[in-house]
Amino acid sequence: AQSVTQLDSHVSVSEGTPVLLRCNYSSSYSPSLFWYVQHPNKGLQLLLKYTSAATLVKGINGFEAEFKKSETSFHLTKPSAHMSDAAEYFCVVYSGGYQKVTFGIGTKLQVIP
Amino acid sequence: GAVVSQHPSRVICKSGTSVKIECRSLDFQATTMFWYRQFPKKSLMLMATSNEGSKATYEQGVEKDKFLINHASLTLSTLTVTSAHPEDSSFYICSARDQGGFSNSPLHFGNGTRLTVT
Repeated sequence: AQSVTQLDSHVSVSEGTPVLLRCNYSSSYSPSLFWYVQHPNKGLQLLLKYTSAATLVKGINGFEAEFKKSETSFHLTKPSAHMSDAAEYFCVVYSGGYQKVTFGIGTKLQVIP
Repeated sequence: GAVVSQHPSRVICKSGTSVKIECRSLDFQATTMFWYRQFPKKSLMLMATSNEGSKATYEQGVEKDKFLINHASLTLSTLTVTSAHPEDSSFYICSARDQGGFSNSPLHFGNGTRLTVT
């Protein structure tokens, strides 16, 4: 079985403060993990990916995520939020090749000026 | 980077009519494309897997006669919503993976189609 849990459906931060979006997963295989961002009425854009190389992964727009196998977590962070970061973020797990893809329910990030 | 183009971005149609949505991989070939439906405040629901040159594989609960999928070439898949009803109103997104990539290479998504059935 495979699952993804995004622990917060909604996160609100002030501009310039750190961002933490949490994701936990379970998988019977060695998973590949991804974070995608979706702006309103748009498709999903890849932020970063973990595919069994370095556990700390840097992505676009200053985001990064750390794969922690012992905690089965892949939390997304950014040191300083920008207004343009306001969007919905999805944690995604692949295993067994791309045939088995599981999406988290999404976390809506609000950035307050 | 790999680009997936989805068209139209928005469509409004009358109940009972059919709507075709196109998904194209612009700079790579994709033997497999995926069609998702996204409900408000919900995650993406996989509807079907589109296979070039063969029949699509539908997820449980998705009506194959209502959501017709055609994948006639390595760069184009189409989803046709037949005899649309207001409950079919939703956001539809396609994705594809570069067939030349590794098995864990990421999916590339189209920008989605907002379908409104009146």
